[in-house]
Amino acid sequence: DVVLTQTPVSLSVTLGDQASISCRSSQSLEYSDGYTYLEWYLQKPGQSPQLLIYGVSNRFSGVPDRFIGSGSGTDFTLKISRVEPEDLGVYYCFQATHDPLTFGSGTKLEIK
Amino acid sequence: EVQLVESGGGLVQPGSSLKLSCVASGFTFSNYGMNWIRQAPKKGLEWIALIYYDSSNKYYADSVKGRFTISRDNSKNTLYLEMNSLRSEDTAMYYCAKLGGGTTGMDAWGQGASVTVSS
Repeated sequence: DVVLTQTPVSLSVTLGDQASISCRSSQSLEYSDGYTYLEWYLQKPGQSPQLLIYGVSNRFSGVPDRFIGSGSGTDFTLKISRVEPEDLGVYYCFQATHDPLTFGSGTKLEIK
Repeated sequence: EVQLVESGGGLVQPGSSLKLSCVASGFTFSNYGMNWIRQAPKKGLEWIALIYYDSSNKYYADSVKGRFTISRDNSKNTLYLEMNSLRSEDTAMYYCAKLGGGTTGMDAWGQGASVTVSS
């Protein structure tokens, strides 16, 4: 199974600063069709998860452009520029390239 | 507005069975694949099953393969998860999630159904 390793486990950021989360895969996430099925989700406290990024770098509808996904192959990054209070929660990367599909273990973003 | 509403959770004994439902509204259910994802207390997310829009393909996590069955009834806009031989480690909040069109990922999630397996 594909293992997604997220770092750091937790992150404390001052409002207005940038946050960066890494997601490393045990296998390349590029599918045979050339697409990379790497997504990012945010679970805010007490809420269901919500989609932020799909296909490595595509922001889902309504997601602010402060959220930037990048990477390829086995190394991926989610950057949040100008962190705002509503950004707190746990961020998960997720791969849908290989069966079984898998989530990373999560990164908790706290506001200083 | 897209809505997904899970039901059927509860407290059950180890070895028993339970069937979760997820009723969809606000979109053409029969056009989209659906997933089940669970979250054990204070733990991360675990994907457990995927079904194509037409039920032609189903995929499972190793942890539930052979015990859980995902299915759907497009005439009732409903997704199901039949869970057999339940274990204490199946205790979790269970979410259904809609796949977006094409390659969009899971673009809508339900509020979750709580399952507790305990004697």
